[in-house]
Amino acid sequence: DTGVSQNPRHKITKRGQNVTFRCDPISEHNRLYWYRQTLGQGPEFLTYFQNEAQLEKSRLLSDRFSAERPKGSFSTLEIQRTEQGDSAMYLCASSPWVGGRTDTQYFGPGTRLTVL
Amino acid sequence: AQRVTQPEKLLSVFKGAPVELKCNYSYSGSPELFWYVQYSRQRLQLLLRHISRESIKGFTADLNKGETSFHLKKPFAQEEDSAMYYCALLATNAGKSTFGDGTTLTVKP
Repeated sequence: DTGVSQNPRHKITKRGQNVTFRCDPISEHNRLYWYRQTLGQGPEFLTYFQNEAQLEKSRLLSDRFSAERPKGSFSTLEIQRTEQGDSAMYLCASSPWVGGRTDTQYFGPGTRLTVL
Repeated sequence: AQRVTQPEKLLSVFKGAPVELKCNYSYSGSPELFWYVQYSRQRLQLLLRHISRESIKGFTADLNKGETSFHLKKPFAQEEDSAMYYCALLATNAGKSTFGDGTTLTVKP
């Protein structure tokens, strides 16, 4: 296992188009997280899953954003009707959940989205 | 609400000098605090967490609940320490982490 992977690494799209990103976590990790990062800022939490259940969503996540983790393995993040303000790096992370507490999060390389 | 503040965007020191990266937090409960590092062209990775109370690559950080701080320190900086450093807070019994905006550390030869 080479760690958390994300695809695509870069995505350029036109305003109004839909985009979907994929995250493959470390195989034995049951928690999976999505973050968004813009220039000069730290990662901002979007949502996270424990297995296939989506346990929390940030208020940042508008109705245009949806995330799934259908079989508790990989996850997808879809943005509908993209806007220029959606341009950012989208980070995925995974962690084990051991003894009722979150362990270290391992991050993927990110998907950089540019909306023209 | 949770908040993490890293007051310095940029920090520059000479090789061999001590370095301290500041992190202050606000949270009403008992948080877990982390330092993450991102080297050039690499992904974000954990440097250390307060509950481990260990030194990684010569870095240490002590949680000061009275001052709500978790500053990262190293007595003798090395050029390979040049990177972006993020402080993060994990709320009790939660999955969500709150990150600061990061400090870019440059260690000059």
